[in-house]
Amino acid sequence: GAGVSQSPRYKVAKRGQDVALRCDPISGHVSLFWYQQALGQGPEFLTYFQNEAQLDKSGLPSDRFFAERPEGSVSTLKIQRTQQEDSAVYLCASSLFGTGSGEQYFGPGTRLTVT
Amino acid sequence: AQSVTQLGSHVSVSEGALVLLRCNYSSSVPPYLFWYVQYPNQGLQLLLKYTSAATLVKGINGFEAEFKKSETSFHLTKPSAHMSDAAEYFCAVSDNNTDKLIFGTGTRLQVFP
Repeated sequence: GAGVSQSPRYKVAKRGQDVALRCDPISGHVSLFWYQQALGQGPEFLTYFQNEAQLDKSGLPSDRFFAERPEGSVSTLKIQRTQQEDSAVYLCASSLFGTGSGEQYFGPGTRLTVT
Repeated sequence: AQSVTQLGSHVSVSEGALVLLRCNYSSSVPPYLFWYVQYPNQGLQLLLKYTSAATLVKGINGFEAEFKKSETSFHLTKPSAHMSDAAEYFCAVSDNNTDKLIFGTGTRLQVFP
């Protein structure tokens, strides 16, 4: 596709359930980022991949959060034993190069609601 | 550590009026700065970016921003607001070491007819 796609767009999980959020970046983009956007807040960095290598995971809030990008393309963000504070929009972004000045292209996000 | 501060969580203007959204940054090295717009239930779209080539940056939809090192500012302006400009606007700085974006808390722009 032409842009970054994410699925599902909406996810409702009961507290304690595991969820998996998928991101399809723009074809050929080297860098992939995950952000968490709480209601009324700006996005906050979670983790960053360059190809299949996870170079920075300093933003992951706990060891319940895990991300992978095994073939350097599609990425999955997994949250185990979801808690209410995990409710947020999870945004994925990709960029052609990891140079800092490159534009990041964002997907529409997955809105996670934990009940 | 790098950071950005957006002054004013809400800005309201009349259609046709000047739009001014404020952003101040903190960075120990020359920063890369960005303005993104977010429409309801959508991802973020890049409006413009500063990468040290020129201090006055023109973006899409008639927006522009001026990088002022002396004021550590990167305010977003548009001479004449349109109803379609109503959205959430985020200022961001790029972390030089990891390329991640550090966002401000956002400014919601309302445009009244």
